[in-house]
Amino acid sequence: GNSVTQMEGPVTLSEEAFLTINCTYTATGYPSLFWYVQYPGEGLQLLLKATKADDKGSNKGFEATYRKETTSFHLEKGSVQVSDSAVYFCALSEFGNFGNEKLTFGTGTRLTIIP
Amino acid sequence: SQTIHQWPATLVQPVGSPLSLECTVEGTSNPNLYWYRQAAGRGLQLLFYSVGIGQISSEVPQNLSASRPQDRQFILSSKKLLLSDSGFYLCAWSVLGQGWNSYEQYFGPGTRLTVT
Repeated sequence: GNSVTQMEGPVTLSEEAFLTINCTYTATGYPSLFWYVQYPGEGLQLLLKATKADDKGSNKGFEATYRKETTSFHLEKGSVQVSDSAVYFCALSEFGNFGNEKLTFGTGTRLTIIP
Repeated sequence: SQTIHQWPATLVQPVGSPLSLECTVEGTSNPNLYWYRQAAGRGLQLLFYSVGIGQISSEVPQNLSASRPQDRQFILSSKKLLLSDSGFYLCAWSVLGQGWNSYEQYFGPGTRLTVT
């Protein structure tokens, strides 16, 4: 079956530091890959996505590149801010029979940015 | 634009009491709908999904049930809550995004349930 493995947290960085959160996946077909962000007390928001190999998703200064050869989708940001403090989830979706589309999530990585 | 609502936002219920959480989606037709549970400090566990009115698939055996009485309404229920049912419950809907294999899901604000 499909699975997503994320870097264990929590991760604590100083403001303006470089961020990498690792994500690797196992899938039998050709998944789309996503990063979701969850701010305290809220639901999940789609941060970025990539639908095929070598695609780069980007949003709000965050980037992730779909690497089929390493089955990875690492999240990066060049200079983090305190407002980036949240839990980040890596996820994949794969086309199945109609009505069987589901996301497989990683366990989440809590990120805390200190001023 | 599409929006998703969940209520209540927070709920405290005693063990053995019934539960009803509601989720509604606006601005789209025939969405796939999902219920997830997020236990404290844990990832997301898919509980149920639905591809249409009256069509419910259960992912995990438990004392919870789901129903979809209308196209854009999804309800999570229990007849008797357990302590282990405490958590953050998230409803989500999906639509085909760019690319044939891209099913983005959009989440509601969640309901925090505490069973005492």
